[in-house]
Amino acid sequence: EVQLLESGGGLVQPGGSLRLSCTVSGFTFSTYAMSWVRQAPGKGLEWVSAIGDSGGRTYYADSVRGRFSISRDNSKNTLHLQMNSLRADDTAVYFCAKGAYGSGHSSYFDYWGQGTLVTVSS
Amino acid sequence: EIVLTQSPGTLSLSPGERATLSCRASQSVSSNFLAWYQQKPGQAPRLLIYGASSRATGISDRFSGSVSGTDFTLTISRLEPEDFAVYYCHQYGSSPLTFGGGTKVEIK
Repeated sequence: EVQLLESGGGLVQPGGSLRLSCTVSGFTFSTYAMSWVRQAPGKGLEWVSAIGDSGGRTYYADSVRGRFSISRDNSKNTLHLQMNSLRADDTAVYFCAKGAYGSGHSSYFDYWGQGTLVTVSS
Repeated sequence: EIVLTQSPGTLSLSPGERATLSCRASQSVSSNFLAWYQQKPGQAPRLLIYGASSRATGISDRFSGSVSGTDFTLTISRLEPEDFAVYYCHQYGSSPLTFGGGTKVEIK
């Protein structure tokens, strides 16, 4: 059974940092691209970032480029999102999502985690 | 950036009725790389359709997807109680990946 479990969310002040993690099981993590998708309270879905299977290629939405950094540790089946210079409009539930393909980031998402809430507020 | 416009915003229907959800792209979606997801309150999205018309594993054949140009449609042939939820379309043919604003299917 495929499982994705996010952690690391919480309350952080504007300008602060947070590191999210997503631990996966049930599939060969190292052969699939992964993404982070967020959902602000009561709003729709927004793709945030993606990383190829080997970790060599990363992709970002304009809204987070230069502030967020995606990475993965294939030896630990774990995906990370380092979030710096956080703003109030970064407040959202952050989902990790498994891409259907290995390379690139142009993929639909066949499995999702349950999400972790990030609240940016003073 | 490809903008996806979903309509209607809310669809009020009764169980057993047919639901037709629309997703219009602002420009051509490469290789019809468009997916549909279902999301219930407090849950993660669930993949229903990919490639505009291919059903995901385990998805009922009550769900079907179609495309005409830049207009994509998700049809639920006969609504079951568990189908009342929010549905999102998602294009993955070009960067940045984008989602539509969602259509809520509610019980009438």
